[in-house]
Amino acid sequence: QTVVTQEPSFSVSPGGTVTLTCGLSSGSVSTSSYPSWYQQTPGQAPRTLIYSTNTRSSGVPDRFSGSILGNKAALTITGAQADDESDYYCVLYVGNGIVVFGGGTKLTVL
Amino acid sequence: QLQLQEPGPGLVKPSETLSLTCSVSGGSISSSSYYWGWIRQPPGKGLEWIGNIYYSGSTYYNPSLKSRVTISVDTSKNHFSLKVSSVTAADTAVYYCARLDLWAVDYWGQGTLVTVSS
Repeated sequence: QTVVTQEPSFSVSPGGTVTLTCGLSSGSVSTSSYPSWYQQTPGQAPRTLIYSTNTRSSGVPDRFSGSILGNKAALTITGAQADDESDYYCVLYVGNGIVVFGGGTKLTVL
Repeated sequence: QLQLQEPGPGLVKPSETLSLTCSVSGGSISSSSYYWGWIRQPPGKGLEWIGNIYYSGSTYYNPSLKSRVTISVDTSKNHFSLKVSSVTAADTAVYYCARLDLWAVDYWGQGTLVTVSS
């Protein structure tokens, strides 16, 4: 079964830049994986940040950006703010109508 | 503005069937552009995709849940439903319904907590 990998945790200083990644247990992530990214704070439904690799959802600040880096999808936050402290999840399309969530990255801003 | 609402039973007994319905307003579930899906999140854990359905009835399921899950759509009522059979405590989670476009969620329901307990 396909596993989508994410860093369990990451830390960034206020104003700093951080890149979270999303990989596959076997194979490479490409634009055909349609990577998407979601932000979730405790007790809230997730918020969609990025879809189709690098398209920002409506209302998402441009300091959030998506890309492919090597064989992984990446979410970069530039100029991190305190309220960026959240859990971040990626989703990949793995074919045959199946999507898989990554395990999530807990981002700390301090 | 599209809205998805999934009021649920709240409490289900072990070995019984969990049933949820997601009502869609502000848009048609019969749109040919989108899939409609279910996602869940056990307390303190990550998100897990359950499955998707197209308005025509085509379904795709998480292989690890496929034997116990059924997703259906009722275009006349503009809603879609989830059934999970033979539930155990491991099925306790917040269940979200969602709309998917290009294999990404663009609209989320608010989520409903379903607890499996006798």
